[in-house]
Amino acid sequence: EPEVTQTPSHQVTQMGQEVILRCVPISNHLYFYWYRQILGQKVEFLVSFYNNEISEKSEIFDDQFSVERPDGSNFTLKIRSTKLEDSAMYFCASYPDSGPLQETQYFGPGTRLLVL
Amino acid sequence: GNSVTQMEGPVTLSEEAFLTINCTYTATGYPSLFWYVQYPGEGLQLLLKATKADDKGSNKGFEATYRKETTSFHLEKGSVQVSDSAVYFCALSDWIGGATNKLIFGTGTLLAVQP
Repeated sequence: EPEVTQTPSHQVTQMGQEVILRCVPISNHLYFYWYRQILGQKVEFLVSFYNNEISEKSEIFDDQFSVERPDGSNFTLKIRSTKLEDSAMYFCASYPDSGPLQETQYFGPGTRLLVL
Repeated sequence: GNSVTQMEGPVTLSEEAFLTINCTYTATGYPSLFWYVQYPGEGLQLLLKATKADDKGSNKGFEATYRKETTSFHLEKGSVQVSDSAVYFCALSDWIGGATNKLIFGTGTLLAVQP
C-alpha cells in the first residue's frame, strides 16, 4: 500500500537555526498539507499546497515558514529561524483529488522537532 | 467558524468495558467526519469515517454514527482491549467548493485500558 514518508524522524536544533522537514507524498496525489502537534495538544493545520502554490494557510504559518515542492516528488517545510515554541511533531499529509473529502488524507509518521 | 469539541480525557477502562468518546462539531457546510487514532510514538491513522448524515463508520469493532440533528459523531466500542490504548482524535473536513479540505481536529482523548 502506498504511504507518505517523512524525514528525519527526529531533529534537534538550536533556536534561531533554519530547519527543513521533508516529505514524500503518495505519487498520484495532488493536494499536500502540513500539520503540527505541540506535545499534549491537538493537531493543527498549517498549510495546504496545490498546483505548486499555497492554497490556504493558517495564522500559525507566518513569514518564518515556507513550503516547496522542488522536484515533483518531495514536499518540504522550511522554518527560517526556529523558536522554542516551534518544538512539535510535524505531520505531512496528501490527498488525491479535489471535491468533498470522501476519503482520508494520508498522513506520514511525523518529524519530531525539538528546538533548544 | 468550523470546530470540533471532544470529551476531555484521560479515559481509563478495564478490559472488555464499553467505550464512548463524545464528539460534537460546528460546521458551515456539509462536513465529512473522521476518527483518527494515534498509538504511542506513532503518527495518525484513520480509524473510521462518515461522509453524510446517518452514515455509520466502523472499523476494528469501533463505530460512530454521523448525527446531523445533534451535530455529533460519538465513538463507541462494545469491548475494549489493552491494545486499544491510544489517543483518539475526532476531526472534520468541510468542503465548500474550492476549499482545500483541511482537517480540523479536536483536542484528542487519551484512552488507557487496564488488564
